[in-house]
Amino acid sequence: AAGVIQSPRHLIKEKRETATLKCYPIPRHDTVYWYQQGPGQDPQFLISFYEKMQSDKGSIPDRFSAQQFSDYHSELNMSSLELGDSALYFCASRIYGTAGLFFGSGTQLSVL
Amino acid sequence: SQQGEEDPQALSIQEGENATMNCSYKTSINNLQWYRQNSGRGLVHLILIRSNEREKHSGRLRVTLDTSKKSSSLLITASRAADTASYFCATVNTGNQFYFGTGTSLTVIP
Repeated sequence: AAGVIQSPRHLIKEKRETATLKCYPIPRHDTVYWYQQGPGQDPQFLISFYEKMQSDKGSIPDRFSAQQFSDYHSELNMSSLELGDSALYFCASRIYGTAGLFFGSGTQLSVL
Repeated sequence: SQQGEEDPQALSIQEGENATMNCSYKTSINNLQWYRQNSGRGLVHLILIRSNEREKHSGRLRVTLDTSKKSSSLLITASRAADTASYFCATVNTGNQFYFGTGTSLTVIP
């Protein structure tokens, strides 16, 4: 069965560069969540979208922005990268109102 | 898919009862972790069990791991209304790649 696809799997950037992470939810899933997990930390909720509109916002820095497109895929744009942005970024999707949250395998971002 | 599967998908119990959630996976793991998600937002790490461990306790939580069956269970004893949340297992392989299960939605009725 199709799963949540995230790309790229690994990304290496330098400080002050920009990065774009992509998430392709399971077909017919209308809700997407983004999480950031630093080394040894709990995943922190960043932002979520429902039907292409932002539905909830967590601890997402102002340097980051995200959107959900008409085909329901989502992109997380990160600018002026800092060393502290190095983390594993998860995307998850679900059908709104149903149990079962499906996670992607994550994008490992390293900022040097 | 390498993603774990959890059952049941939804569980409803009375306060004071025990809740058991199961997680099955397909690949070799380095460790398995259980997380709790409140209100569809942040994930809170509950407990980690390594592949060479069989059982682990933390407060009212008890986790077992059977690597031969590729399964784990999370037991919450003496449940409280505040335990109402979604619970996820995540397997971590030797490459530190995380694979989350789809979660069990637990409702504890006061």
